[in-house]
Amino acid sequence: KNQVEQSPQSLIILEGKNCTLQCNYTVSPFSNLRWYKQDTGRGPVSLTIMTFSENTKSNGRYTATLDADTKQSSLHITASQLSDSASYICVVGEKGGGNKLTFGTGTQLKVEL
Amino acid sequence: SQTIHQWPATLVQPVGSPLSLECTVEGTSNPNLYWYRQAAGRGLQLLFYSVGIGQISSEVPQNLSASRPQDRQFILSSKKLLLSDSGFYLCAWTVGLAGVEQYFGPGTRLTVT
Repeated sequence: KNQVEQSPQSLIILEGKNCTLQCNYTVSPFSNLRWYKQDTGRGPVSLTIMTFSENTKSNGRYTATLDADTKQSSLHITASQLSDSASYICVVGEKGGGNKLTFGTGTQLKVEL
Repeated sequence: SQTIHQWPATLVQPVGSPLSLECTVEGTSNPNLYWYRQAAGRGLQLLFYSVGIGQISSEVPQNLSASRPQDRQFILSSKKLLLSDSGFYLCAWTVGLAGVEQYFGPGTRLTVT
């Protein structure tokens, strides 16, 4: 069964600090890995998409890494801001028709003053 | 630019009542369309996806159904709601093959009482 596991489940950091979120997956056949940011009560918004051949991708203060051999990914957030408070969801796409995705349960990040 | 709409934004329905949630996409043609459900503390669960008019694939057996009467319209329905149908329902779309961006709508918060 395809699964995506994320850690930690929740995290509280002070504004301006960095943090790293982890994702392990068992999706096969692997096509791509995405990180989404979801504000409460809103739809997810994509941060990064990486394919098998990519091992790092940045989007502003967000940097995602991918190790396809160990099936692990991380999302690093630098110089956190209050607006970074959200759920960060790791999502893995399968090869094949329909562009099907398997979602992790997310890491709930809270940035405080 | 492309836009995805969902309505209603929130809905409170009694057990046993029917359901109809609508999703429409603007600014693109022949999108792949998806219905997800997000229960409290759970990852997004793919319910249905459609690669074309009248083409519906069901991922999870349940009392919900989906229809795609037009190219950019996707409807989620139920004849009799259950308490377990409560959740946050998200519509999403992509165009093309796996690995491309998947865009989410604003969501519908459904509470079955």
